[in-house]
Amino acid sequence: DTGVSQDPRHKITKRGQNVTFRCDPISEHNRLYWYRQTLGQGPEFLTYFQNEAQLEKSRLLSDRFSAERPKGSFSTLEIQRTEQGDSAMYLCASSLGDRLADTQYFGPGTRLTVL
Amino acid sequence: AQSVTQLGSHVSVSEGALVLLRCNYSSSVPPYLFWYVQYPNQGLQLLLKYTSAATLVKGINDFEAEFKKSETSFHLTKPSAHMSDAAEYFCAVSKAAGNKLTFGGGTRVLVKP
Repeated sequence: DTGVSQDPRHKITKRGQNVTFRCDPISEHNRLYWYRQTLGQGPEFLTYFQNEAQLEKSRLLSDRFSAERPKGSFSTLEIQRTEQGDSAMYLCASSLGDRLADTQYFGPGTRLTVL
Repeated sequence: AQSVTQLGSHVSVSEGALVLLRCNYSSSVPPYLFWYVQYPNQGLQLLLKYTSAATLVKGINDFEAEFKKSETSFHLTKPSAHMSDAAEYFCAVSKAAGNKLTFGGGTRVLVKP
């Protein structure tokens, strides 16, 4: 059983550039979540999908952020015109989504540094 | 709105001593509560979760937590710390099955030999 994978693990970019991250959930997991974690803080919810439908977006997700899950499998998170404040760890998690308080399984994260 | 407060951003314990990490929550509905652990350069791993069954929840690696509704608390304990327990621990709450998690700020545990 492979876990949640994320690619790349690290990304360094210059301010103003666009970046895209990929998340591959555990197979058969219907729900996929994105969180952002800044240094010394707990993860903060960004958005989540039930299959290919994006069901909720946080106010943290500005217009520069977009997420997709086109076929209900992998997901991408794109940040346009990056700012230094976007520097953080971006975590992806997946869950079955069909049971009481089902467990969210987290990937290793993508660490973004915006110079 | 839900929120989670973890008292103490850093905790230092001696190897073999009791580990106690505090978590208080606020929720307008009966919550689901979770403890996750994060080792350096790794993702979060679930230690245990409360889903309105038994109030004393046992998790992996001898961790356990007790849900106390009257105190709105879900403190995490381990009777005897091991060097491998050095990590950051996060308490989280959600209000519905499969819903988004709201995390506390985390507590970093240092284990002294």
